[in-house]
Amino acid sequence: SYELTQPSSVSVSPGQTATITCSGDSLSDQFVFWYQQKPDQAPILVIYKDTERPSGIPDRFSGSSSETTAVLTVSGVQAEDEADYYCQSTDSRTTYVVFGGGTKLTVL
Amino acid sequence: QITLKESGPTLVKPTQTLTLTCSFSGFSLTTGGVGVGWIRQPPGKALEWLALIHSNDDKSSSPSLGNRLTITKDTSKNQVVFTMTNMAPVDTGTYYCARKPNTMFVGFDYWGQGTLVTVSS
Repeated sequence: SYELTQPSSVSVSPGQTATITCSGDSLSDQFVFWYQQKPDQAPILVIYKDTERPSGIPDRFSGSSSETTAVLTVSGVQAEDEADYYCQSTDSRTTYVVFGGGTKLTVL
Repeated sequence: QITLKESGPTLVKPTQTLTLTCSFSGFSLTTGGVGVGWIRQPPGKALEWLALIHSNDDKSSSPSLGNRLTITKDTSKNQVVFTMTNMAPVDTGTYYCARKPNTMFVGFDYWGQGTLVTVSS
């Protein structure tokens, strides 16, 4: 089955840049989406179609994608960015939706 | 304003069938390319996709759950109903419904608040 792999945790100091990766076979064949989830809250979409940012999402959130790796970058990290982040894509062979295992971003 | 809200039992017994309803507003499941999906999250664990239904009634569900899942829509009521058979304690978690806005957007832009389902005798 198709899998997306994320680091379990990333830690950065306020004002620094956080980079969260998402790896999967032929990831560039399908769009990647990124969600932020804070404790006891529903996920919210922060990046769609690899690089696009929904309205209301700060421009310090950005995304990129290559053949096998998608990257969520949070520039100038703020304390409020501390959360779990999940990537999501689809298996190009089956169109099944797949989520990564999630990355906990800690702001030191 | 787009909203989705999950409803259903908070406690089910092992072997029972779970039925959850997603009631939504602000969009129509008759619009081409639009879909509603179900995603769950066991306590302290990652998100897991369960099922997806589109406006054309095209359906898909997680292969890891076999034939336990059913998803249907009632466009007149703006609802999507999800069932999962043979529930077990490992199925305990928060269940979310979410909107897929169009054909090319294979992600979810609006989510419900989620409903916690506990499986216990």
